[in-house]
Amino acid sequence: TQLLEQSPQFLSIQEGENLTVYCNSSSVFSSLQWYRQEPGEGPVLLVTVVTGGEVKKLKRLTFQFGDARKDSSLHITAAQPGDTGLYLCAGGDNYGQNFVFGPGTRLSVLP
Amino acid sequence: DTGVSQDPRHKITKRGQNVTFRCDPISEHNRLYWYRQTLGQGPEFLTYFQNEAQLEKSRLLSDRFSAERPKGSFSTLEIQRTEQGDSAMYLCASSPTLAGGPYNEQFFGPGTRLTVL
Repeated sequence: TQLLEQSPQFLSIQEGENLTVYCNSSSVFSSLQWYRQEPGEGPVLLVTVVTGGEVKKLKRLTFQFGDARKDSSLHITAAQPGDTGLYLCAGGDNYGQNFVFGPGTRLSVLP
Repeated sequence: DTGVSQDPRHKITKRGQNVTFRCDPISEHNRLYWYRQTLGQGPEFLTYFQNEAQLEKSRLLSDRFSAERPKGSFSTLEIQRTEQGDSAMYLCASSPTLAGGPYNEQFFGPGTRLTVL
């Protein structure tokens, strides 16, 4: 069974600070997705990474897929209160099966 | 297209009652997924459909749970004889099948929050 771990579990920072959250596994994934979820809502897809070593940027968010496709990181520059939420990583195989989510990192950005 | 929709958004029921949730996926998506999420955890996979065929079921899906997607469009998830441990957010997601692409980009609905008293 493929498992994803995320760290840290909780993170509270001041507006304007930078942060990095991590998603790790002992398994290889064909792709990894990052989602953000706000309370009472479903997760919203932020990005998909598919190639080992790939880096994708989404405004102030930078996503990286590890060379071995076992881990990923999300870096946020100059965090804003609107970035507050639960950040989830998820991965699976090319057939849409064996899809698993990590437990998430709960980020709180204080004004 | 307004995305994935789920109905109802909230359901409160008494232990032992049956409940049914509905999910309407994005219209051109032929894959549909059900997840359960409890407080402080990531979503746990329950089952998924490719068109009308149910291709995978998690061991979490006890025999009290049943899902259908009769015409390959909307799906229902029924829980029979609900237990307090069934209280959770039930999420539905859909995705397209892209040849040679990342199959796992899933688009989620807002969820149905179930409370079993």
